[in-house]
Amino acid sequence: KQEVTQIPAALSVPEGENLVLNCSFTDSAIYNLQWFRQDPGKGLTSLLLIQSSQREQTSGRLNASLDKSSGRSTLYIAASQPGDSATYLCAVIVNAGNMLTFGGGTRLMVKP
Amino acid sequence: NAGVTQTPKFRVLKTGQSMTLLCAQDMNHEYMYWYRQDPGMGLRLIHYSVGEGTTAKGEVPDGYNVSRLKKQNFLLGLESAAPSQTSVYFCASSYSTRRYEQYFGPGTRLTVT
Repeated sequence: KQEVTQIPAALSVPEGENLVLNCSFTDSAIYNLQWFRQDPGKGLTSLLLIQSSQREQTSGRLNASLDKSSGRSTLYIAASQPGDSATYLCAVIVNAGNMLTFGGGTRLMVKP
Repeated sequence: NAGVTQTPKFRVLKTGQSMTLLCAQDMNHEYMYWYRQDPGMGLRLIHYSVGEGTTAKGEVPDGYNVSRLKKQNFLLGLESAAPSQTSVYFCASSYSTRRYEQYFGPGTRLTVT
């Protein structure tokens, strides 16, 4: 069974810092990996989708990388801002299924 | 485009009562999903649908039923609510293959007393 782990569970940084969020998964036979953002009391917003054949995706200040062989993905946030404060979730779909398996999330606080 | 919408936003039920949660999407997506989110358990898939008239079980389907009579709507039913079904429920949709990202609704917060 696929398991997805996100470390750290919580992170507090000063504004302007570059930071990395980590995601690891146990079954490397994934179809794609998706990073989401969730604000308190809200739904999930898709940030980046990486297909299994890709190594990274970029959107603005966000860069996500994927290393299938080691079962890892990282989300890099450049020049963090207080508006980036949220919970960040990664999720994977395995080759044989339609189901997203989610990690527990990293709760990020960016202090002004 | 409204994207994915969910009705209602909040609901309180007594044990044994029934209710239906409605999900609607205006993106012409084939795939639709129902998840629940619980503290410490993360998001888990309840049921999903790969097209109008078809449904399938996810990771935690017990106590729930679903229907997809129209392509744009996906209904989640609780026939006899239990306190263990207290949760936040999210609906999502995506294009016809797993290649595409899933778009989520704002959620329904359900409390069963």
